[in-house]
Amino acid sequence: AQSVTQLGSHVSVSEGALVLLRCNYSSSVPPYLFWYVQYPNQGLQLLLKYTSAATLVKGINGFEAEFKKSETSFHLTKPSAHMSDAAEYFCAVSDGGSQGNLIFGKGTKLSVKP
Amino acid sequence: EAGVVQSPRYKIIEKKQPVAFWCNPISGHNTLYWYRQNLGQGPELLIRYENEEAVDDSQLPKDRFSAERLKGVDSTLKIQPAELGDSAVYLCASGYHYEQYFGPGTRLTVT
Repeated sequence: AQSVTQLGSHVSVSEGALVLLRCNYSSSVPPYLFWYVQYPNQGLQLLLKYTSAATLVKGINGFEAEFKKSETSFHLTKPSAHMSDAAEYFCAVSDGGSQGNLIFGKGTKLSVKP
Repeated sequence: EAGVVQSPRYKIIEKKQPVAFWCNPISGHNTLYWYRQNLGQGPELLIRYENEEAVDDSQLPKDRFSAERLKGVDSTLKIQPAELGDSAVYLCASGYHYEQYFGPGTRLTVT
């Protein structure tokens, strides 16, 4: 069965610092992987996706993620944090390739200090 | 392009009362999902529709939850009767290929 583990329920960085949010997955099939962001009282917005093409995926708002099969990881990074990046971030894996349902991690809340 | 629309945004009810949530997906998206998001958790799938057909309702508590998607467009999720543990955010998403687009959700509080 597919599953996702996000390490760290809370991450705090200073404005301008590197953002690193960790995600490890378990999948019995070649994974489709996603990162979503959720701002307070809003729905989830797709940041980026991995669908078996390039292992380094670039998304919106300067975020990117690297798929590492040997480590079963899909960590999210951004070189320089902005105050507007403060939100909750969810990693998800599809349970059936391109037509599967999404299995979400528990989320990581990112705080950005001025 | 309009996004996924949900209503109401907030609902407070007493336990044992019924409640319904409505979702209008993005035009042209055949796949529709209902998720429940408990506080501090990621969303969990309740039901998935392909057009009018519920193709995965294995996680829907069928003793009190029901859903419908008439004409393969709008969808309604109902809880009757509501329990205290049903307090959560109910998210609707519509999908195209492997991408899902979420609405703002309905925050349900059961007192």
